[in-house]
Amino acid sequence: DQQVKQNSPSLSVQEGRISILNCDYTNSMFDYFLWYKKYPAEGPTFLISISSIKDKNEDGRFTVFLNKSAKHLSLHIVPSQPGDSAVYFCAASEGGQNFVFGPGTRLSVLP
Amino acid sequence: KAGVTQTPRYLIKTRGQQVTLSCSPISGHRSVSWYQQTPGQGLQFLFEYFSETQRNKGNFPGRFSGRQFSNSRSEMNVSTLELGDSALYLCASSWNVLSSYEQYFGPGTRLTVT
Repeated sequence: DQQVKQNSPSLSVQEGRISILNCDYTNSMFDYFLWYKKYPAEGPTFLISISSIKDKNEDGRFTVFLNKSAKHLSLHIVPSQPGDSAVYFCAASEGGQNFVFGPGTRLSVLP
Repeated sequence: KAGVTQTPRYLIKTRGQQVTLSCSPISGHRSVSWYQQTPGQGLQFLFEYFSETQRNKGNFPGRFSGRQFSNSRSEMNVSTLELGDSALYLCASSWNVLSSYEQYFGPGTRLTVT
């Protein structure tokens, strides 16, 4: 049973618009979350994190929102750029250990 | 600051052989985690080492093992290779203290078992 789900395998967005990537988790003990992007033939690149004591964290064009009651987090990219085209993974953990990764969402930003 | 490095980047082995992969973490990071990525299973956690001790382990058979040295460098070993072990093996390092749990990944080692 998948503990971390990313129900959209792919997403296409126009350049300059907002990209919203979603992630749901089932384990209520998860309290630390990470987002990564991955280009082909490279390791994942860390983007942004959030702990359960917050409901929002922002870093430049990237904002992560956490809804603990719904066990849902989302990554917003504004504005989206063609270079953002990649696979995005969310990961969840309890206490920063044993991260469980979602299956990923492939984002395509169209010029 | 140099990133996480992994060697070799590519490896071709025959079924039944064994293989050792190496990972050098970011300087100062004491935690090293290993993951297997396959198209069908995504990123799956293998194990994590912290200060030379295996602290966490995923659901992989005993053929998969690892160790960490005093300089935090880590190796992963797979014995009696099977075709299904073909995957991208990623290691990630983190500071892992003071609520700083972000993991930084290396480029991976692409293992092909024939």
